[in-house]
Amino acid sequence: GEEVAQTPKHLVRGEGQKAKLYCAPIKGHSYVFWYQQVLKNEFKFLISFQNENVFDETGMPKERFSAKCLPNSPCSLEIQATKLEDSAVYFCASSPDSQYQPQHFGDGTRLSIL
Amino acid sequence: GIQVEQSPPDLILQEGANSTLRCNFSDSVNNLQWFHQNPWGQLINLFYIPSGTKQNGRLSATTVATERYSLLYISSSQTTDSGVYFCAVERWRDDKIIFGKGTRLHILP
Repeated sequence: GEEVAQTPKHLVRGEGQKAKLYCAPIKGHSYVFWYQQVLKNEFKFLISFQNENVFDETGMPKERFSAKCLPNSPCSLEIQATKLEDSAVYFCASSPDSQYQPQHFGDGTRLSIL
Repeated sequence: GIQVEQSPPDLILQEGANSTLRCNFSDSVNNLQWFHQNPWGQLINLFYIPSGTKQNGRLSATTVATERYSLLYISSSQTTDSGVYFCAVERWRDDKIIFGKGTRLHILP
């Protein structure tokens, strides 16, 4: 498609439950990025993929967070044993494999941990 | 790592006023984007502007890469311009974006 599609828009989980977020990048885009926005203003990079390969995972919390981008499937971000501090908006972005192209962002998934 | 600083942090203006938002960054960048996050949380891509000047309607942006800053101009503000404006930089091709903390703009009717 022509837009980055993120689902669900809003996800509510009890503390300790699992949360799984999905992102379909723009067709033809090779790179996918996940960002976490907390406290309304602060963005934190989590992980990026080049096609199905992890490109940069320096921002990923090691223990409970995992992500995948498999061929012919939406990319996913999974959080095991959620904590209150995981409450945030998670944005996915994609960009094509060429120089001088912007990242295009989805509308985000708002994760609320109760 | 690279630092991205935006100013002012908050701005309240009357409808019809003009404004200038600034973004300073601490190192050379390959890419710079300006975003508007509307009250519904959507991130709207305003400009992709690693250098030079671009205009889109009432909005324009200038990036002076050699001096490590970018400016976003909003003319004849409307209430729909309210929200948070983010500057974000990419150090090199295909790298992650590093966001500033944003300028919160509130346009009064």
